[in-house]
Amino acid sequence: NAGVTQTPKFQVLKTGQSMTLQCAQDMNHNSMYWYRQDPGMGLRLIYYSASEGTTDKGEVPNGYNVSRLNKREFSLRLESAAPSQTSVYFCASSEALQESPLHFGNGTRLTVT
Amino acid sequence: EDQVTQSPEALRLQEGESSSLNCSYTVSGLRGLFWYRQDPGKGPEFLFTLYSAGEEKEKERLKATLTKKESFLHITAPKPEDSATYLCAVAQGAQKLVFGQGTRLTINP
Repeated sequence: NAGVTQTPKFQVLKTGQSMTLQCAQDMNHNSMYWYRQDPGMGLRLIYYSASEGTTDKGEVPNGYNVSRLNKREFSLRLESAAPSQTSVYFCASSEALQESPLHFGNGTRLTVT
Repeated sequence: EDQVTQSPEALRLQEGESSSLNCSYTVSGLRGLFWYRQDPGKGPEFLFTLYSAGEEKEKERLKATLTKKESFLHITAPKPEDSATYLCAVAQGAQKLVFGQGTRLTINP
């Protein structure tokens, strides 16, 4: 039972490059999320998808875009990476929006130079 | 402003030495308080949900309690494998979840 799977695990980008972080869940959850975790800042919500076909901005959406490809998959795209986007990115899913426990992937560690 | 504050930032205990971690919050319209455990290099793992003041949940050596302003995660007779960062998060109205910054717990054998 894989749960939430994120790829890649590590990535180094140069400023201005683009990339897509992939996330898939096999728990038939309706809601999916992208968080970033920075030292001293805690987990901050970037974007979320309450259900298939919908996406909404979270606390820190600038510089990111998302796609809810189907019920299982939710991708995060950085169009033009900046050093401020160096972080650990976590994808999560839940049965219902925010009030159900979140199930997290193991993260993507992104460095932008 | 909605806030979730965890204390202490770091705690070092000897194996078997019981203690408590604190999560205080100032959000309105509490819809639930969550505790997670995070091991280095991993994503957070769900532990408990508490919904109302007075509620308690237990799992092995961990017990979570909730009042109107704070939650405690009590750890009884901890073992080295309990070493991790413990996160709390508060859900309020309008589908908002606010995370605290975590308490890094180290249990020495």
